[in-house]
Amino acid sequence: DAKTTQPPSMDCAEGRAANLPCNHSTISGNEYVYWYRQIHSQGPQYIIHGLKNNETNEMASLIITEDRKSSTLILPHATLRDTAVYYCIVRPITGANNLFFGTGTRLTVIP
Amino acid sequence: SAVISQKPSRDICQRGTSLTIQCQVDSQVTMMFWYRQQPGQSLTLIATANQGSEATYESGFVIDKFPISRPNLTFSTLTVSNMSPEDSSIYLCSVERAGFGEQYFGPGTRLTVT
Repeated sequence: DAKTTQPPSMDCAEGRAANLPCNHSTISGNEYVYWYRQIHSQGPQYIIHGLKNNETNEMASLIITEDRKSSTLILPHATLRDTAVYYCIVRPITGANNLFFGTGTRLTVIP
Repeated sequence: SAVISQKPSRDICQRGTSLTIQCQVDSQVTMMFWYRQQPGQSLTLIATANQGSEATYESGFVIDKFPISRPNLTFSTLTVSNMSPEDSSIYLCSVERAGFGEQYFGPGTRLTVT
């Protein structure tokens, strides 16, 4: 069952930051926020995850609000290759195997 | 991360036949998963296939229709049995490193049933 809410689509200009929001108001204390993306005709790709602190890796940054009820994935300099469907998923890091993929946000990077 | 390959990458099959999809991982992993992605839809988990135990199926999926083998820590197969056009989908396998929570996906097998 969906525990996250994401806008169905967003556009972003190439070279600009893409900020993808996600609401997860019913998140439990032991649940992490995960982000995946699926580029057309490929399998989903893991991007980043976090519990309550902001996280950054070579792909993106994850900003989680203090109450943990929402988060934002930031792609600092979007390129055309970042055009994909982005999925925000909440789940415990252990003890639950299922990744529930909701409908995600279709991000289109515009030249 | 893990590198995952699937065979075949795509196939066109006649209704009533069966297709076995292979998933190979470049490292040993305990947890392996099979997903289905119907045209224009998101991913749905079919079953979890952990080595050394029977596969665990999600609601709506049964072993007779989707038998799974997991003979070792680097390989698994999913069979789609007695196929109908409604089984036309992309089938994906994924693996998860225990304790890390990230799943890594194969490229998928695009199945068309005519």
